[in-house]
Amino acid sequence: DIQMTQSPATVSASVGDTVTITCRASQSIGYWLAWYQQKSGKAPKLLIYKASNLESGVPSRFSGSGSGTDFTLTISSLQPDDFATYYCHQYNSYSWTFGQGTKVEI
Amino acid sequence: EVYLVESGGDLVKPGGSLRLSCAASRFSFHTYEMNWVRQAPGKGLEWVSYISGSGSITYYADSVKGRFTISRDNAKNSLYLEMNSLRAEDTAVYYCARVGGIAAEKVDYWGQGTLVTVSS
Repeated sequence: DIQMTQSPATVSASVGDTVTITCRASQSIGYWLAWYQQKSGKAPKLLIYKASNLESGVPSRFSGSGSGTDFTLTISSLQPDDFATYYCHQYNSYSWTFGQGTKVEI
Repeated sequence: EVYLVESGGDLVKPGGSLRLSCAASRFSFHTYEMNWVRQAPGKGLEWVSYISGSGSITYYADSVKGRFTISRDNAKNSLYLEMNSLRAEDTAVYYCARVGGIAAEKVDYWGQGTLVTVSS
């Protein structure tokens, strides 16, 4: 299985900050990488798909980049609603795998 | 708006069985690949199983292979997960998730989840 290493595990930030989360795959996954936001007790919400494509309805302060094995999620001008846990997800092949998650806290 | 609603989660003893359902609405269910993904309490996401639109192709995580069976009834717009020989480590919220987009390039909709607790 492809292993996804996500970092950091936790990031402390303030409203207005820029936050960067990285995800590294154990082998090349092309562009088949998604990012999700999850709040407590809720289902994951798709933010970015195919590494850099913004899902419809997601604010443009979220952006994704990367290809192959190294990927980044950037949240610009952090808003109060953005404090949550974020997961990367490779879907290049079954079985899918997810990063361990990054909690963005105040 | 796409709807995915899971049901069937319950408290079950180790070694027991359970069947989860996912009712889909407001999209052409039979044309979409579907998956089950689970999340143990306080933990991350773990993929469980995949099924093609026709139901002819299925995949499983090693952790559930031989114990879980994914299926679908396209006439009823429903996805299922038959879970046997349950273990404590199967305790989790189970989500159904749709592979969407023009070329199946994103996992765009998730249900709200159903909780399975395996405990004596």
